[in-house]
Amino acid sequence: SQQGEEDPQALSIQEGENATMNCSYKTSINNLQWYRQNSGRGLVHLILIRSNEREKHSGRLRVTLDTSKKSSSLLITASRAADTASYFCATDAYLDTGRRALTFGSGTRLQVQP
Amino acid sequence: DAGVIQSPRHEVTEMGQEVTLRCKPISGHDYLFWYRQTMMRGLELLIYFNNNVPIDDSGMPEDRFSAKMPNASFSTLKIQPSEPRDSAVYFCASSPPGTGAPDTQYFGPGTRLTVL
Repeated sequence: SQQGEEDPQALSIQEGENATMNCSYKTSINNLQWYRQNSGRGLVHLILIRSNEREKHSGRLRVTLDTSKKSSSLLITASRAADTASYFCATDAYLDTGRRALTFGSGTRLQVQP
Repeated sequence: DAGVIQSPRHEVTEMGQEVTLRCKPISGHDYLFWYRQTMMRGLELLIYFNNNVPIDDSGMPEDRFSAKMPNASFSTLKIQPSEPRDSAVYFCASSPPGTGAPDTQYFGPGTRLTVL
């Protein structure tokens, strides 16, 4: 089963509003990352937060991490039509094989209406 | 920096045919990953390499799938024989040297494979 699960699956907002996406995971992690994917394109790394960090900012992005609840949130402030994309959380953790790798969630599809 | 390069971008083939997907990672990166993305299963890690050596191939679905990395600048993912359920977008990603484990990953544009 997937390590990270995003909520909601889809989100539609107006330009200028804030968008919040949540991610829950199951096992201990080394770090958690958020990626964006525009339709028909590859994933683009947005931000990484380590397990000993609680909050991180990058431009209009704010990420929080609560390791006690095994959850993270991505906030995009003052959204723009260009933010329309799918957003994925990815957890850096050890696989059942004992190897360390990223496991991606199912994604949140964000639609920002101009 | 050209980024991760994948070829072909689109591939349409018939069931039973051999398919080879190619990837050139970002120069200087020592991790290379192959993923598969479908609507039903999302983004799945198939295999990853470190310094050209396969580290974990537990995600490779069947023996029909094989991957190689003969040198630091080239990797292939081969499906032989292909089946309609292999239809998906296949992504290659690379990651720079860091803490001894994969960190931020840089994705290629993907290869959209359709098996008829």
